[in-house]
Amino acid sequence: NAGVMQNPRHLVRRRGQEARLRCSPMKGHSHVYWYRQLPEEGLKFMVYLQKENIIDESGMPKERFSAEFPKEGPSILRIQQVVRGDSAAYFCASSPLGPGNRGPLHFGNGTRLTVT
Amino acid sequence: AQSVAQPEDQVNVAEGNPLTVKCTYSVSGNPYLFWYVQYPNRGLQFLLKYITGDNLVKGSYGFEAEFNKSQTSFHLKKPSALVSDSALYFCAVRDPGAAGNKLTFGGGTRVLVKP
Repeated sequence: NAGVMQNPRHLVRRRGQEARLRCSPMKGHSHVYWYRQLPEEGLKFMVYLQKENIIDESGMPKERFSAEFPKEGPSILRIQQVVRGDSAAYFCASSPLGPGNRGPLHFGNGTRLTVT
Repeated sequence: AQSVAQPEDQVNVAEGNPLTVKCTYSVSGNPYLFWYVQYPNRGLQFLLKYITGDNLVKGSYGFEAEFNKSQTSFHLKKPSALVSDSALYFCAVRDPGAAGNKLTFGGGTRVLVKP
């Protein structure tokens, strides 16, 4: 059973370009979470999605950032017009259950975004 | 709102000595608590969790953690540290009574085990 798959592992973008980060959850998992980790810092929650629905986006910046989890295909985190401050590691996690879930989240290896 | 504090940025320990990584939490109800480890350029690996029951929980790689409700703590421990335990450790909390299902993480503690 493959784990959470994220691609690309590394992404370099110039200021002003768009970044698309993909996440395929573990098989059977329909709940996806995106976290951001700045260098030498902890993980900050960004957004929680179920298939075709955004459940909690309280950690998403108001502008330039969006996320989706379509009925078919991976979850996408999209950053428009990237700036240097967007440089970070972005982690996706998945779980098979929603609210009340007693289990851990399962994390991918992350996408490291560098904005030049 | 739920929150987690890891008061130590780094913990240094000699190989073979006991290792403790501290964590305190704040939630409105009964917490679900987790410990994860992160190796360089990797994602987070789940170590152990506390949901209910015995306050001492055992996890992967010889790690254990003790839940203390009165002190709102969930410290991670290992009786005899290995050099390979050197990594970044994160404590996380979920409030099962809150809307949503997210984990809130502490800032992390870097563990350095010296041979």
